[in-house]
Amino acid sequence: GENVEQHPSTLSVQEGDSAVIKCTYSDSASNYFPWYKQELGKGPQLIIDIRSNVGEKKDQRIAVTLNKTAKHFSLHITETQPEDSAVYFCAASRGYGNNRLAFGKGNQVVVIP
Amino acid sequence: EAQVTQNPRYLITVTGKKLTVTCSQNMNHEYMSWYRQDPGLGLRQIYYSMNVEVTDKGDVPEGYKVSRKEKRNFPLILESPSPNQTSLYFCASRRTSGGARYNEQFFGPGTRLTVL
Repeated sequence: GENVEQHPSTLSVQEGDSAVIKCTYSDSASNYFPWYKQELGKGPQLIIDIRSNVGEKKDQRIAVTLNKTAKHFSLHITETQPEDSAVYFCAASRGYGNNRLAFGKGNQVVVIP
Repeated sequence: EAQVTQNPRYLITVTGKKLTVTCSQNMNHEYMSWYRQDPGLGLRQIYYSMNVEVTDKGDVPEGYKVSRKEKRNFPLILESPSPNQTSLYFCASRRTSGGARYNEQFFGPGTRLTVL
């Protein structure tokens, strides 16, 4: 099955700087890659996703890039703010409908004011 | 409001005492799933359900049972809980077909279970 790995496990950044989290996946048939944000005491929430037919997607201060050849995808957060402090999970699946999501172990991002 | 609800949010129990954690969604989603979250291990899937009366094992199903008698509900049953089932549990749901965002998986707020 799919194996998703995230690096680094913990990331501390100064407020206003950028944060980058990278994930690698093993199944070359995976074609859907979402990112979830988990705030303290809450369930994970989808913040951005990308499908394999595009290489980059942006939504305000967050962006995701995908390199299918190297089988990795990354989350980029620019101009970080204290409210960006959370655990971020990447995931991968073979696509639509009934395919299961395989999650990475999560990254703790700490934004230092 | 579209949401996934779980009850209870916190539970402390003793080894061997059967318990049920309820999960309900109001979005008419076909797919529902249970995860456990443990430090350093991320989110691991316990069981999932494609639709009513259709369930299947995830990555860590031992010691758990589920049922899907109605589309909106997907309870997680621990017949004889043990301390290694102490964890944070999440229920999730999503559609399995349709528009651009149908892959979005919605999570409940979590149930923190402690088995003594």
